Amino acid sequence: DTAVSQTPKYLVTQMGNDKSIKCEQNLGHDTMYWYKQDSKKFLKIMFSYNNKELIINETVPNRFSPKSPDKAHLNLHINSLELGDSAVYFCASSQGMESDLYEQYFGPGTRLTVT
Amino acid sequence: GENVEQHPSTLSVQEGDSAVIKCTYSDSASNYFPWYKQELGKGPQLIIDIRSNVGEKKDQRIAVTLNKTAKHFSLHITETQPEDSAVYFCAASNNARSKLTFGKGITLSVRP
Repeated sequence: DTAVSQTPKYLVTQMGNDKSIKCEQNLGHDTMYWYKQDSKKFLKIMFSYNNKELIINETVPNRFSPKSPDKAHLNLHINSLELGDSAVYFCASSQGMESDLYEQYFGPGTRLTVT
Repeated sequence: GENVEQHPSTLSVQEGDSAVIKCTYSDSASNYFPWYKQELGKGPQLIIDIRSNVGEKKDQRIAVTLNKTAKHFSLHITETQPEDSAVYFCAASNNARSKLTFGKGITLSVRP
């Protein structure tokens, strides 16, 4: 009965490869997010989607392409992986975007290592 | 945009003592302030939050206070236990597209 789940938990790949991370939430939430946590633990928003519509795109390189097939899923595809993409990627969700609805709940993270 | 500063960066307390973690924010329009706890190898977990129309909120051993004039908010943990050891993040949002800006995190160590 996991609320926000991500696959895979670990991803090791070589520079130049293309990879995807999947996220699913079973909370019935409308809004989903991708965050990047770097080696210094700094958490930064990358994208958010509300009802499958892109809301936030925080100057992320266009090698990163999120896709939301439905409200419960938000995937992240990364092309031409670079060493600097190594980080932990977290998916999160919130009930909505209005001020009383945006408590965000995080998934367990995907540790991406690019060699 | 919003800037959230968190200090100190590490904090060590004796089990049973209280711990206080402070954050400041820059955007006076910010109105939502959550605190997250992140244990090793896990995702951040929302532990308490406060909105700008409230000055203080408590939940068992945890409390958060907000000073809108000074633009700072604090997390108070009483009767600390070893399982409170983790990284704690504060964040702020001005309700614009529900975007959260996080502080850099503080590592709390509770010595048994």
